[in-house]
This record gives sequence, C-alpha cells and structure tokens, in this order.
Amino acid sequence: QVQLVQSATDAKKPGASVNVSCKASGGGFANLGVTWVRQAPGQGLEWMGWISSYNGDRKYAQNLQGRVTLTIDTSTSTAYMELKSLRTDDTAIYYCARDQWAGAGPFYWGQGTLVTVSS
Amino acid sequence: QSALTQPASVSGSPGQSITISCTGTSTDVGGYDYVSWYQQHPGEAPKMIIYEVSTRPSGVSDRFSASKSGNTASLTISGLQAEDEAQYHCSSYTPRGRVFGTGTMVTVL
Repeated sequence: QVQLVQSATDAKKPGASVNVSCKASGGGFANLGVTWVRQAPGQGLEWMGWISSYNGDRKYAQNLQGRVTLTIDTSTSTAYMELKSLRTDDTAIYYCARDQWAGAGPFYWGQGTLVTVSS
Repeated sequence: QSALTQPASVSGSPGQSITISCTGTSTDVGGYDYVSWYQQHPGEAPKMIIYEVSTRPSGVSDRFSASKSGNTASLTISGLQAEDEAQYHCSSYTPRGRVFGTGTMVTVL
C-alpha cells in the first residue's frame, strides 16, 4: 500500500521560506505525478502545483508562480515543496498527493503539514 | 483559475438522497472528462471517491454516484448515513493543471 509521510508542523515569520517534504513508500511515485494542495483554516482545497516523477515536468498555480518550487528526488522517493516570501495568509495545512491514474487527479494523500506564518 | 462553484452546505436525513453540484466552465469541467470528487472528514486528509466523472475507486460504496452535464458535475449520495457527514470537494483537470471546488459541507440531520 502506498504511503506518503510528510515533514512535521512548522512555524515561520512573514518573509521567510518553508520547505515541506513528502516521502513515499510501498511503491514510491511509480513514474506518476505528485500534486501539492493546501487548505487554509476552515477553507476549501487549493491546488498549488504538480510535478511528474517520470520526467520532472511541472505546473504551478498562477497565483503562486514565482513563490513556489516543486522538486522530486526519485532516488529517495521524496518530493519537496518550497514556498518563499511567506505571508500570514499562507497559513494552511499543506498536503502532498500522488496520482494513481494519469489525469484523474491525486489519489494517495499524505497526512498534511501545518505551516503557521505569524510575526 | 477560479475555483469551481459548489453549494456551501447540503443536508439530509438518514436514508435520503442528496446531490451536490459543481459548476465550472468549458475550459475545465465542461471540456474534459477528468472530474473527481473527494470526501474529507474533520482532521483527515481528503479521500478520492470518484474519478473520471463517474468511476468509483475500489472499496468506495456504491451509494456514491456522479455524472456531468455541460459545465456542471454532480455527486449523489444515496441512502444517506451518519458516516457520510463530511466536506466534499470536486476537482477538474485544466490545461494549466487542476482546479478544486469551493467545498460543500454535508450534514446528516
């Protein structure tokens, strides 16, 4: 069974950067895509971006372009999400998730990482 | 990319059926058969319950069904049960990536 384990809760000050990791086990990323999604307190899901574990192709949400960077290390089955120039409204639970069927959307989800941005 | 539009809340009594709508545009929901639905209980990660408009992953109850007409997708929960109380999110493929809906809270009365 595929499992995605994310890094622990983090607290940052405005202007700082955060790096969240996502390690896959039980099948790794299987040459499929990894999506990053965030959920602000009491809000819906927001798609942040997607990276292919096959060839590294990336897509980013327009509103985060320039602040978010997705990378993947297939040798360790670990994906990373870096978000720069943090603002207080970046406070959210950040999820990584792996595709199961191409185009169908994220299927296997990590447990989520709470990132709090506060001065 | 604007979020897909869902009703904020839907409620029903046990045993009843409810339907949640998800409205997008011709560049997302209406343009591709890659609509998925997620169920999310409080404090938990989302769980995919429908993909490719109407396909249920293995292990998902057949009380969940879904369809699409034009730019609007719909999720129906039949025989509503207490365990169905959760937040539901739709999502669609777009050429720029994916987009999620605004989310719907389902309450079992």
